[in-house]
Amino acid sequence: EPEVTQTPSHQVTQMGQEVILRCVPISNHLYFYWYRQILGQKVEFLVSFYNNEISEKSEIFDDQFSVERPDGSNFTLKIRSTKLEDSAMYFCASRALQGSTEAFFGQGTRLTVV
Amino acid sequence: DAKTTQPTSMDCAEGRAANLPCNHSTISGNEYVYWYRQIHSQGPQYIIHGLKNNETNEMASLIITEDRKSSTLILPHATLRDTAVYYCIVRVAIAGGTSYGKLTFGQGTILTVHP
Repeated sequence: EPEVTQTPSHQVTQMGQEVILRCVPISNHLYFYWYRQILGQKVEFLVSFYNNEISEKSEIFDDQFSVERPDGSNFTLKIRSTKLEDSAMYFCASRALQGSTEAFFGQGTRLTVV
Repeated sequence: DAKTTQPTSMDCAEGRAANLPCNHSTISGNEYVYWYRQIHSQGPQYIIHGLKNNETNEMASLIITEDRKSSTLILPHATLRDTAVYYCIVRVAIAGGTSYGKLTFGQGTILTVHP
């Protein structure tokens, strides 16, 4: 069964450092998403990406965040200068088409900022 | 997207049916009801979705009331591995406009299946 793959599973970084989280969406999917979940809190939407551009973003997704699809397979989330409060699980998701199709989530990257 | 209300937690005995309710009284005509679950800290997992008809798949059944203001997710024979947080989400059917298919998660229902 096809799946969304995220790497690394756990990333520890020092405050102020840049970090890149990587995702390989399901191959024929067209919509890509990043969500995050701070420990003990809700899953929060960060950004959606379609046709090589951001289609929607939340208030959380400020200038410190960026997304990119550098090739035909990878989808990345970059945090330029990490803060302690960026510590969270980050989930990538992808979806096939418009309409009511479901989103498939990766297993997440646990980001710890120290 | 319409807001949903779910109980904070529920218990179920292993092998019995788990019935998880969800209220979505402000749902619009073009919004689907989706159910996802999250086991421990894993990524959310899609379970089922529906518009107005009852739906069934290999994981669960979804019963939507005729007025579409509430729904129930049924796990027919719950196992210990079904212990998870279950999220009921309503979302517009067509991506585009102000929503490109994002999912808005609430707190969900913590389902605990016990032996």
